[in-house]
Amino acid sequence: ETVLTQSPGSLSLSPGERATLSCRASQSVSGSYLAWYQQKPGQAPRLLIYGASSRPTGIPDRFSGSGSGTDFTLTISRLEPEDFAVYYCQQYSSSPKTFGPGTKVDIK
Amino acid sequence: QVQLVQSGGDVKNPGASVKVSCKASGYTYTSYGINWVRQAPGLGLEWMGWISTYNGNTKYVQKFQGRVTMTTDTATSTAHMELRSLRSDDTAVYYCARDNCSGDNCYSALWYWGQGTLVTVSS
Repeated sequence: ETVLTQSPGSLSLSPGERATLSCRASQSVSGSYLAWYQQKPGQAPRLLIYGASSRPTGIPDRFSGSGSGTDFTLTISRLEPEDFAVYYCQQYSSSPKTFGPGTKVDIK
Repeated sequence: QVQLVQSGGDVKNPGASVKVSCKASGYTYTSYGINWVRQAPGLGLEWMGWISTYNGNTKYVQKFQGRVTMTTDTATSTAHMELRSLRSDDTAVYYCARDNCSGDNCYSALWYWGQGTLVTVSS
């Protein structure tokens, strides 16, 4: 089973600042089959990034993903008020499709 | 538009079973697999398994083997997840989520999610 570790566990930033979230895998994620999700309280997760760096239609371009192998990054270039949430990475290159523990981004 | 609508919340006694449904609309149901993910209160996301809506093939996480059954009903475009021998630590919101490709070797993120179903296990 591929274990995902996310850092930091929480991040306090102000609107307009840049957020950099890390996801590290215990073994290489083949095909860069790595996704990022955003979850707000009381809501289902929302897909932000798939294939490590691709955005679904409708996801703002301030969200970007990068990385390969075992190290991946989600960057939010300028935080908007609606971006304060919990972010999870997930690998789907091998079963089980594991999630990281999440990074909470809150308002400073 | 793609929609996944789940059944309502439920309260169960320890040792009982629960069946959660996920009704799909807005796309060809048998073209994409359905995953089940749960989230205990205040905790992270846990992938439980997947079912092919095309042929009913399943993949379950080892920890749930023997306690979970995922099924699909093409007549009603509905996927079901039954969890048996419930324990207090099964208290969670259960989500269904759709793949964006088909086949048993589909590598897909979870593109569309249901609204979640809260299952509470308590005596």
